[in-house]
Amino acid sequence: KNEVEQSPQNLTAQEGEFITINCSYSVGISALHWLQQHPGGGIVSLFMLSSGKKKHGRLIATINIQEKHSSLHITASHPRDSAVYICAVPDGSSGDKLTFGTGTRLAVRP
Amino acid sequence: GAVVSQHPSWVICKSGTSVKIECRSLDFQATTMFWYRQFPKQSLMLMATSNEGSKATYEQGVEKDKFLINHASLTLSTLTVTSAHPEDSSFYICSARDTGTGKHFLYEQYFGPGTRLTVT
Repeated sequence: KNEVEQSPQNLTAQEGEFITINCSYSVGISALHWLQQHPGGGIVSLFMLSSGKKKHGRLIATINIQEKHSSLHITASHPRDSAVYICAVPDGSSGDKLTFGTGTRLAVRP
Repeated sequence: GAVVSQHPSWVICKSGTSVKIECRSLDFQATTMFWYRQFPKQSLMLMATSNEGSKATYEQGVEKDKFLINHASLTLSTLTVTSAHPEDSSFYICSARDTGTGKHFLYEQYFGPGTRLTVT
């Protein structure tokens, strides 16, 4: 079973700061998900990536398959970025089931 | 992008009653949908995998007679919490995987907005 670790667990930043959230996993995977969960609970899928880097607006996700590590970066952070960011990977037993990290709670202060 | 909806977004029910939650894929077909439960300050936990036209596969520790899943079409799965109790109060989230038409990456799951269930 894949073990997922995220760091940090909690992060407070000032508006405009560059933010990095890390995710490590134990079993080789085909792809990794980054999800965003707002205080109301709804989940938004930000990225699914299998190699290299993806960019969407101010969000950048990178993955190093060999090192079993991914990072999510937020440039020019804004209070509306405040949310829980979760990484998820296939659990190792089948391609469908996901194992979720415990999440990083981000608060961006104006 | 692919859209998954859930209904209702929140529900309050009395102990002992049953509640049905719907999960729909709006612009794609999903042979496989997943039901998750999330307690406060905890991560999502997979409850069951719902397969269109066949029985759901439940995770260890999840009572299949209490959490009834029906995936009768390629765009709809339902979760019914039977004889609900206060400990069933939680946030229930579904996700759906495209049938694999080639439009979406294999293993990509699209998440619904969630349903908050409160049992009084």
